[in-house]
Amino acid sequence: DTGVSQDPRHKITKRGQNVTFRCDPISEHNRLYWYRQTLGQGPEFLTYFQNEAQLEKSRLLSDRFSAERPKGSFSTLEIQRTEQGDSAMYLCASSLTGASNQPQHFGDGTRLSIL
Amino acid sequence: DAKTTQPNSMESNEEEPVHLPCNHSTISGTDYIHWYRQLPSQGPEYVIHGLTSNVNNRMASLAIAEDRKSSTLILHRATLRDAAVYYCILRGNSGYALNFGKGTSLLVTP
Repeated sequence: DTGVSQDPRHKITKRGQNVTFRCDPISEHNRLYWYRQTLGQGPEFLTYFQNEAQLEKSRLLSDRFSAERPKGSFSTLEIQRTEQGDSAMYLCASSLTGASNQPQHFGDGTRLSIL
Repeated sequence: DAKTTQPNSMESNEEEPVHLPCNHSTISGTDYIHWYRQLPSQGPEYVIHGLTSNVNNRMASLAIAEDRKSSTLILHRATLRDAAVYYCILRGNSGYALNFGKGTSLLVTP
């Protein structure tokens, strides 16, 4: 059973650098979501894709953040000019459809630390 | 999606049943009740969901009040591996994101 895979698991970088994370969803899942989680808080929604189309972005997704899902398969989340406040766990999830009775399946996240 | 209210923390003894409550007084008729849990250093894990009737699966049971304004996640025999943060989340037809809130941190003691 191949679940949602995220790479890398950890990323340490200096402030001002660009970083890119990758998410491989469960095969044939149309929906792909990105969330961010800071210490002691629940995950917060960032953006989601229906196949290759990015349909919604949270106000948390500043213009330094960009996400893509070319060909509707894997997705990347890029953060440009990283800041201290970007330190967090970035979680990816996928679901078969967007129906309200469909569970989202999560990866184990990429933990980003900004020095 | 409507909001949920959960206790910040609960404690249970190993091998005892655990009842995790969730209040959702403003739930709408089409909202599904979902439960997820998050173990330390892992992503959230889907546990169970329901609409009106009680539900059982291999992980847990979900008891939904008749007026649907509250629900209870039941772990029949807690193990140390069940120590996690448990989130009760409502999902409606127009929703796409999961609104996690802070959840209930469950401590299981041997």
